[in-house]
This record gives sequence, C-alpha cells and structure tokens, in this order.
Amino acid sequence: DAGVIQSPRHEVTEMGQEVTLRCKPISGHNSLFWYRQTMMRGLELLIYFNNNVPIDDSGMPEDRFSAKMPNASFSTLKIQPSEPRDSAVYFCASTLIRANTEAFFGQGTRLTVV
Amino acid sequence: GENVEQHPSTLSVQEGDSAVIKCTYSDSASNYFPWYKQELGKRPQLIIDIRSNVGEKKDQRIAVTLNKTAKHFSLHITETQPEDSAVYFCAASMRGNTPLVFGKGTRLSVIA
Repeated sequence: DAGVIQSPRHEVTEMGQEVTLRCKPISGHNSLFWYRQTMMRGLELLIYFNNNVPIDDSGMPEDRFSAKMPNASFSTLKIQPSEPRDSAVYFCASTLIRANTEAFFGQGTRLTVV
Repeated sequence: GENVEQHPSTLSVQEGDSAVIKCTYSDSASNYFPWYKQELGKRPQLIIDIRSNVGEKKDQRIAVTLNKTAKHFSLHITETQPEDSAVYFCAASMRGNTPLVFGKGTRLSVIA
C-alpha cells in the first residue's frame, strides 16, 4: 500500500477563493482524521470519521470549513471562502478501528492563502 | 475532552547525552499513548507507543514510561545522535476509535 495519499502537496490561493484538499486513506482503514498544523497551535484535530460517518467536527474552526467522506477511499476538506489565517499544513491520517492502533499520516498539504 | 500538555517546547542536548520529554494528560479513560517524530517538512511518524497495562517499554535507544496514577508519560532517548533532531509529539486516546489528541510538540536539537 502506498500509505495515506493527500493532494495537492502545495496550494497557493488568493483570499476569498475556494480550496479543496483531498485524502485517500490506507485501504482497509475505517477511521479518518483531518488535522491542521501551525507553529502557534501545533497539531489540531479538525474532524474525524468512523466508517465514513462524521463523528466529531467540533474542531472545525468556522462554517467556512466543511469535510466529506463519500466512500471508504476518499475524503475532502473544503474551505470557502479562504482567508490568510487558514494558511497551515493540513494532514490527513487513517487507522483501523480497534483498541490502540497506530494512526498513519499523509504527507500533508501546505496551504498558503495570500 | 482530553487535554495533553507537553514539556519542554524546545530542548538542546550534546550528542551522546540523553533527552527526556514529558507529557501529562487529563482524561483518566485514555489508555493509548503514542509518540511521533516529525522531521522538517515531513509527516509525523510513530516511533514508539505504550498502552495502559504496562509501565515501561523500550526499543533500542528509545524508552517510554507511563504513570497512570499521576497521568503522565515520558519519552527517553539515550545516546542521542544528530539524526534524532526533529519535533517530537506525544498523544493520548481512549480506545481505537477515538482520535489522537496531541501535545504541542518538542523541538529537539542534538548538537554534534
């Protein structure tokens, strides 16, 4: 397996534009997480899915953020409209639901909003 | 919900010395405590983890200790090498279907 795959690796966009980040989890994993990493706030959990169902989105900073998981092999994180303070590295991670298992991270998407 | 505190935020050691990073957690129901290493520009990767039924685990130069009563756990790296330089994150979770809650990270610099 190629691991968790995220795209794009880098995204530069203008303020006000819509941004869509994509994630393909490891095949067979049934739990998926979206994290945001900044120097100031570290790794923050935005939302997570179990068996494609959103379980907790309390970490999503504002209504401008939304996430979907239409099937077991694909998830998106959308920001509309984007703002400069959204600039960060966004990581997707996946794991298998059972007690105490490792979460595998994707390479991340570095988002810059100018 | 769970809250994880990590100290120190930065740590510099001489090559060959030991490094210790400490974390505390708030939820006594947490039972899984992994440590991740993140090199510059790369993804976090698991280096060692410990479960609540053990107090210590070792893997070569890396060890982790857990004190459930005090709700803290620590990472110990012995005989540090320059390639150990990275940001280290501790995390905690309850069972396998809840997400990891991370500490803020420790930037370790090993000086040759």
